[in-house]
Amino acid sequence: DGGITQSPKYLFRKEGQNVTLSCEQNLNHDAMYWYRQDPGQGLRLIYYSQIVNDFQKGDIAEGYSVSREKKESFPLTVTSAQKNPTAFYLCASSMGRIHQETQYFGPGTRLLVL
Amino acid sequence: AQSVTQLGSHVSVSEGALVLLRCNYSSSVPPYLFWYVQYPNQGLQLLLKYTTGATLVKGINGFEAEFKKSETSFHLTKPSAHMSDAAEYFCAVSDLGTGGTSYGKLTFGQGTILTVHP
Repeated sequence: DGGITQSPKYLFRKEGQNVTLSCEQNLNHDAMYWYRQDPGQGLRLIYYSQIVNDFQKGDIAEGYSVSREKKESFPLTVTSAQKNPTAFYLCASSMGRIHQETQYFGPGTRLLVL
Repeated sequence: AQSVTQLGSHVSVSEGALVLLRCNYSSSVPPYLFWYVQYPNQGLQLLLKYTTGATLVKGINGFEAEFKKSETSFHLTKPSAHMSDAAEYFCAVSDLGTGGTSYGKLTFGQGTILTVHP
């Protein structure tokens, strides 16, 4: 079945630690996205990538980094510079060619701080 | 800049009653509008979307929404609520990215939690 997988489902971060969230898709989509979800705030865009080896900052990129070395993969690193990382993180993908197309979402990773 | 306002962070209805979730948007260009549903601790699933053409859009699970340009609204309705409709619902608007690229950035509303009582 085609879809988006995110791992792990839950992730715990210690003070000063970098952690990486995985996102993989087998939909053959060009574009991939990372969103952060906090209660009552909707989803906010962290980073997006329209093509391999290229990505752009979204609205809240500070304290995060990404890479796009393969079409299928778009990992997100939450760095120690992100002072309030506790949130639900959602990865999405879309075909990437026209702007009214649908974004498809993964099941999410919940990040908690120890 | 695009923005989306969902009126009411919580809506409660009885099973079998009409569901109405409100969404208003601001956009300087013709918008593309979406409704997504999220069940607890899961990702988002597309309910329906408006791009062009017919302003009344039908989606999955009996939901529909009407695009009203004059009111800048895209309210979501369902004639008869079911217990399984209890979830959080997000309205979103898509625009063109900077530099005229065809990137479809989604701007989301804050979400509306729908509770369905027996």
